[in-house]
Amino acid sequence: DAKTTQPPSMDCAEGRAANLPCNHSTISGNEYVYWYRQIHSQGPQYIIHGLKNNETNEMASLIITEDRKSSTLILPHATLRDTAVYYCIVRVQGYGQNFVFGPGTRLSVLP
Amino acid sequence: KAGVTQTPRYLIKTRGQQVTLSCSPISGHRSVSWYQQTPGQGLQFLFEYFSETQRNKGNFPGRFSGRQFSNSRSEMNVSTLELGDSALYLCASSGTGDIEAFFGQGTRLTVV
Repeated sequence: DAKTTQPPSMDCAEGRAANLPCNHSTISGNEYVYWYRQIHSQGPQYIIHGLKNNETNEMASLIITEDRKSSTLILPHATLRDTAVYYCIVRVQGYGQNFVFGPGTRLSVLP
Repeated sequence: KAGVTQTPRYLIKTRGQQVTLSCSPISGHRSVSWYQQTPGQGLQFLFEYFSETQRNKGNFPGRFSGRQFSNSRSEMNVSTLELGDSALYLCASSGTGDIEAFFGQGTRLTVV
């Protein structure tokens, strides 16, 4: 079972920041937080990951709370192409690929 | 560089038949994993191969099997197909450290 909980759906106005929350209250000290997204009928796309520090890349920012029990993915200026299902995953690195996907959050960016 | 390539993209099979799906990872990646995605169960991990050996396995029946070749290309086989095997089958590859997985576009299998 997935070790994360996310809201099933969210809306965001185009051009505004999209803030997607994720709860992972049972996260272990060596587990990373990963975010992927899946645009309709395509393979999931890696967005960002982090351990305990906040992270930023060209796609998004990841804010992890100090107790690491929750995190927020921020898309700073959402566009219509950001409409997708967003998955938050926790996993240990270095033990192979065995991502456990939950149902994710369906983000709809509205014009 | 080229991404993960899955063939075929679409497939229709009859119940009871078997099917083989192919995945070519990103050049230099040695880990290949397979996932099944259905509307009811979502994305589920099937198994992972690393250097021609199965390294991780999900909770699927033995009808689902795979293998990896010395060039890291992988195949997945499903025998005695059931209607419930209709799904999008996704392959992902990763490089050193398994930091991130890169997914292919998937093979959509329909069992009739």
